[in-house]
Amino acid sequence: AQSVTQLDSHVSVSEGTPVLLRCNYSSSYSPSLFWYVQHPNKGLQLLLKYTSAATLVKGINGFEAEFKKSETSFHLTKPSAHMSDAAEYFCVVSDWVTGGGNKLTFGTGTQLKVEL
Amino acid sequence: DTAVSQTPKYLVTQMGNDKSIKCEQNLGHDTMYWYKQDSKKFLKIMFSYNNKELIINETVPNRFSPKSPDKAHLNLHINSLELGDSAVYFCASSQVMAGVNEQFFGPGTRLTVL
Repeated sequence: AQSVTQLDSHVSVSEGTPVLLRCNYSSSYSPSLFWYVQHPNKGLQLLLKYTSAATLVKGINGFEAEFKKSETSFHLTKPSAHMSDAAEYFCVVSDWVTGGGNKLTFGTGTQLKVEL
Repeated sequence: DTAVSQTPKYLVTQMGNDKSIKCEQNLGHDTMYWYKQDSKKFLKIMFSYNNKELIINETVPNRFSPKSPDKAHLNLHINSLELGDSAVYFCASSQVMAGVNEQFFGPGTRLTVL
């Protein structure tokens, strides 16, 4: 079974400084990986996805992630944090399912706090 | 236009009651899902339906029964509610095409069992 591990449950940065949210995956084949964001009391929004095309994936709101097979990592970065980035971030791996659709397995989440 | 909608947004009820949560998607997707997010924000899949057929049924008590009247709707009925059922329930949908498998999530239903 595929899985993801988010290495930090909480990350705190100052506004304008870089953001790094770490994620390692475990998979016996080339995975499909995602980052989703959840703002307080809101649903989940897709930030970006990796599906075996380019290893550097650009997403919305200036976020990007790099797939590194040698390190089994898919870390999320942003050059400059904004107050509106404060949210819960989930690293997710996807498995195809016989019969249609896919099953998402979520990491435990990283809460990003952005301070003035 | 809301892509994936859920009703109600909040649901407060007593232990032992039966309740339903409704989900609708207007994206034309074939597959719909229910996820449960617990108090520690951990998200886990419960069910998925593809073209009204049950595909995924994780280890969920049989008090939970999903129903898909058509491929745009996936409802979740819960019998004999327990305190541990308190959580946020998210509906999602996807259209599986070559290389594209992202899921679109609804806003969630916060269920509180007293």
